[in-house]
Order: sequence, then structure tokens, then C-alpha cells
Amino acid sequence: DVKVTQSSRYLVKRTGEKVFLECVQDMDHENMFWYRQDPGLGLRLIYFSYDVKMKEKGDIPEGYSVSREKKERFSLILESASTNQTSMYLCASSIAGDLFFGPGTRLTVL
Amino acid sequence: GEDVEQSLFLSVREGDSSVINCTYTDSSSTYLYWYKQEPGAGLQLLTYIFSNMDMKQDQRLTVLLNKKDKHLSLRIADTQTGDSAIYFCAESLNNTDKLIFGTGTRLQVFP
Repeated sequence: DVKVTQSSRYLVKRTGEKVFLECVQDMDHENMFWYRQDPGLGLRLIYFSYDVKMKEKGDIPEGYSVSREKKERFSLILESASTNQTSMYLCASSIAGDLFFGPGTRLTVL
Repeated sequence: GEDVEQSLFLSVREGDSSVINCTYTDSSSTYLYWYKQEPGAGLQLLTYIFSNMDMKQDQRLTVLLNKKDKHLSLRIADTQTGDSAIYFCAESLNNTDKLIFGTGTRLQVFP
């Protein structure tokens, strides 16, 4: 069965902290994505990766960076968390247009 | 830029049909998708339609595509309380796996 896991379901951090959100998929997919979901705005793409060590900016990359050192793992990094990054973060991997999503990480920045 | 729009809320009585509408902008999208998000969960692919089709039926779900108007709809027949969720339509950008999602429609089913 297809599986995308995210390291935490809930996370609370303070302004200025460095935050790591981890995502792992076990389907050998080449494509991986990070989205954030906010009420009334839907899902917005932060970064995506089509291969190991490869990354491309999505629609809202400011304040974020990513790392893809291994095919199965795609990490989202908030270098210095801010309150406007409080959101639900969804990771996905894909093949042939079918995206498989993780359960999400609800991040609160105080 | 590309934009996908949906109404935010829909409320229906159990047993009635639900129709969720979506408009999109990228006319080159080969596939258009409907995803479902249940409370506290990630998104799950519900169904999709190939752009050269007008309609696709899958059990209680019917997808209608009007390419001329760039309008996509999802009809759920005999709506059940278990159908309560947020429904997202999505188009693929330049026929890649990079999807542009709508704002999501929250469907509430009441007895």
C-alpha cells in the first residue's frame, strides 16, 4: 500500500526558531512536493523536486528551503520561523499525475 | 498566473445529490482531478478526467467537463454523511505532475 509519512502531526515553535519538516515516501517516486494549506486559499505549492538533489521553487517559496538528499526523503526547512508561517503543511509524492499525500503537519508559530 | 476557483461551502441533505463546481484557466491541462480531504487527513485522489472526455462516471460520482468554458463539476449521487469533507479540484500545469489546486469546497451533509 502506498505510503507518505510526515514526521509530526502537530508542531509548536517560537518565532525565530529553525524548523525541519520531514517527509518520507516508500513508493520510489521521483517527484515530491511541499504544499501549505490555509482556509480560503486552498493548497499553495512551496517547493517541489523531480529528482535527488534537484529542487524548484513553487508559488510561495519565500521563507522556506528544501533538501532532497535521498529519493525517499524530502525535507522542508523554515530558517527562521515567523507567525505567518502558521499553517497546515502537506507533503506529496507522485507518479504519472497521481499525487499521494501525507497526513499533514499542523505547525503553530508563537 | 494559473488559477482554479471553487465556491467555499456547500450544504446538502442526506440522500440528495451534491454538485461541486470548479473553473480553471490552463487550457493545455491533459488531466483534471478531484481530491477529497476528510477531517484531520491529507488529500486523497477521488477521480480524474482526461481532457478529451466530456463525462466520466464512477459509481456515485459523475465528472462533467466543459472545455469551452473551462468548467469542471463533480456530482455525488445519494450523498451520505460520510461524504462530508473538503473537495479540491486541480489541473496539471503544462501537463506535469505539478498540480494547481482550487480553494476547496467544504461539503456538509446533514440528516
